[in-house]
Amino acid sequence: AQRVTQPEKLLSVFKGAPVELKCNYSYSGSPELFWYVQYSRQRLQLLLRHISRESIKGFTADLNKGETSFHLKKPFAQEEDSAMYYCALLYSSASKIIFGSGTRLSIRP
Amino acid sequence: DGGITQSPKYLFRKEGQNVTLSCEQNLNHDAMYWYRQDPGQGLRLIYYSQIVNDFQKGDIAEGYSVSREKKESFPLTVTSAQKNPTAFYLCASRFRDGEAFFGQGTRLTVV
Repeated sequence: AQRVTQPEKLLSVFKGAPVELKCNYSYSGSPELFWYVQYSRQRLQLLLRHISRESIKGFTADLNKGETSFHLKKPFAQEEDSAMYYCALLYSSASKIIFGSGTRLSIRP
Repeated sequence: DGGITQSPKYLFRKEGQNVTLSCEQNLNHDAMYWYRQDPGQGLRLIYYSQIVNDFQKGDIAEGYSVSREKKESFPLTVTSAQKNPTAFYLCASRFRDGEAFFGQGTRLTVV
């Protein structure tokens, strides 16, 4: 079955420390993966997608097909990074998008 | 002002009543989605639609129904068969290979 797993419900790091939010997926086809972010009192929005290979707000994510992972990384956390982060998988043939359970990132000053 | 709009923002329902949540988009997006967001469970897919007059069940469709009579609109009805309807509901739309855009959400409470 297709699934997106985010093992950490909460991740708390100090400002300036590196951040890694884990995401693993199971999908028999060719995956298209996204990271979405939800800041307090704002709507859910795209942070980045693997096909664009961009770095947004200092975050990067590399698709590792061997490990079926799409971990989100940032070398130096900032307080404004505190938010809820969701990993998402698109089944392109069906336009179906499923999400992981989310990780709340808290940056301590 | 382009975007995706959900209404109402807050909705209260008595047990045993059906209620319909509105989702409208003026982005000319083909695909539309309904998700349910519960604490600790992330976003769970209820229904999705790739084109007008067509829709598919997601992972938790029981107790819900949808229609897609117009490209711009994808209303969700929460029926009395839904055992635990109190939740935050999110609508999204997407254009072909693009990203999904989300509405502000509707918080439904059963009283």
